[in-house]
Amino acid sequence: GNSVTQMEGPVTLSEEAFLTINCTYTATGYPSLFWYVQYPGEGLQLLLKATKADDKGSNKGFEATYRKETTSFHLEKGSVQVSDSAVYFCALKGGVRDDKIIFGKGTRLHILP
Amino acid sequence: GAGVSQSPSNKVTEKGKDVELRCDPISGHTALYWYRQSLGQGLEFLIYFQGNSAPDKSGLPSDRFSAERTGGSVSTLTIQRTQQEDSAVYLCASSSHGGQFPGNTIYFGEGSWLTVV
Repeated sequence: GNSVTQMEGPVTLSEEAFLTINCTYTATGYPSLFWYVQYPGEGLQLLLKATKADDKGSNKGFEATYRKETTSFHLEKGSVQVSDSAVYFCALKGGVRDDKIIFGKGTRLHILP
Repeated sequence: GAGVSQSPSNKVTEKGKDVELRCDPISGHTALYWYRQSLGQGLEFLIYFQGNSAPDKSGLPSDRFSAERTGGSVSTLTIQRTQQEDSAVYLCASSSHGGQFPGNTIYFGEGSWLTVV
């Protein structure tokens, strides 16, 4: 079945550092890929998405490119801020007939001032 | 409503009691999802509704768990004879369409925190 694997946290970085959170997936067909973020005390919210190979999703300075050849959707940001401290979830939605959205275990990110 | 609304936001119950968790999706959203988030764990898929029907119940952990949706809107997740391992945050999400829109965004509620003592 479909699955998502993301790097385990916590990840601790200094402000203005470069961020990468790795995500790889296993899926049949042509999945859509998402990154969701959960800020402290808040609910999950969509950060960015990509629906086909080579698409790049971007939002709030974060980017992720849908790489079918490596089955990856790594999250990157060039210069992180303290306000980026949160838990980040990579997620996958299967093909047209698959309504289930599968999430990774989440990666907790701490940014130090 | 403006967002996905869940109630209660917090529930403490005694082991063996039944609990009901309610989800009110965004108005007009036909797809509704239930997930469970345990401490230090990721999101575990429980069940998915398209309208009032549940094409995918594969994630329900045991027959103590059931869910229904009436009128294509509000959904109730029921846990019978609760156990301590049921303690978690139960998250509801909705989206405007189901699988035929691959990039469709789902919107989450803030969750119902369940503690079984």
